[in-house]
Amino acid sequence: SQTIHQWPATLVQPVGSPLSLECTVEGTSNPNLYWYRQAAGRGLQLLFYSVGIGQISSEVPQNLSASRPQDRQFILSSKKLLLSDSGFYLCAWSVLGMGMAFFGQGTRLTVV
Amino acid sequence: KQEVTQIPAALSVPEGENLVLNCSFTDSAIYNLQWFRQDPGKGLTSLLLIQSSQREQTSGRLNASLDKSSGRSTLYIAASQPGDSATYLCAVNQGGKLIFGQGTELSVKP
Repeated sequence: SQTIHQWPATLVQPVGSPLSLECTVEGTSNPNLYWYRQAAGRGLQLLFYSVGIGQISSEVPQNLSASRPQDRQFILSSKKLLLSDSGFYLCAWSVLGMGMAFFGQGTRLTVV
Repeated sequence: KQEVTQIPAALSVPEGENLVLNCSFTDSAIYNLQWFRQDPGKGLTSLLLIQSSQREQTSGRLNASLDKSSGRSTLYIAASQPGDSATYLCAVNQGGKLIFGQGTELSVKP
């Protein structure tokens, strides 16, 4: 069966520090991968999505970047965090972008 | 630009009541629509997926309908239980990307 792992679960980082959040998927090949952010009391905003290794699309201009070094690995990064980067980050996958989407348990990022 | 709206934003019902959550979207050119459940501080749990060619899907006490032409979907929960308390999110799949509504926060009182 397919599973999605996302870590860490919580993270407190100072302003200006780097960020690396990792997401891996097991039990499927060539999934579409997504990073979403959920601000407090708000809906989910799509940040990045990827249809294959090295193929990243950015949905909103921001202080973050994403990479897909392997088929089932998706990494969200920042060189210098801002206070506004605080939020709940969720990784997701789906088959060909058309099937049911499955989400990880999320990372709560607090920038202080 | 696709916009997804969920009404009501919050709902409180007594245990055992049947209830309906609403989701509307502005652009009917979608692949599918999906309903999710989110418990506080947790990730999303997939509940039901309705393809654009389908009218409804059922899973246990949950039934989701889709009227693509009018841009509407409903999630019907039968015989609600306190364990159903959570935020329910709908999302439309447009071009392989999920666009979410703001969610309905459901509270089922014992």
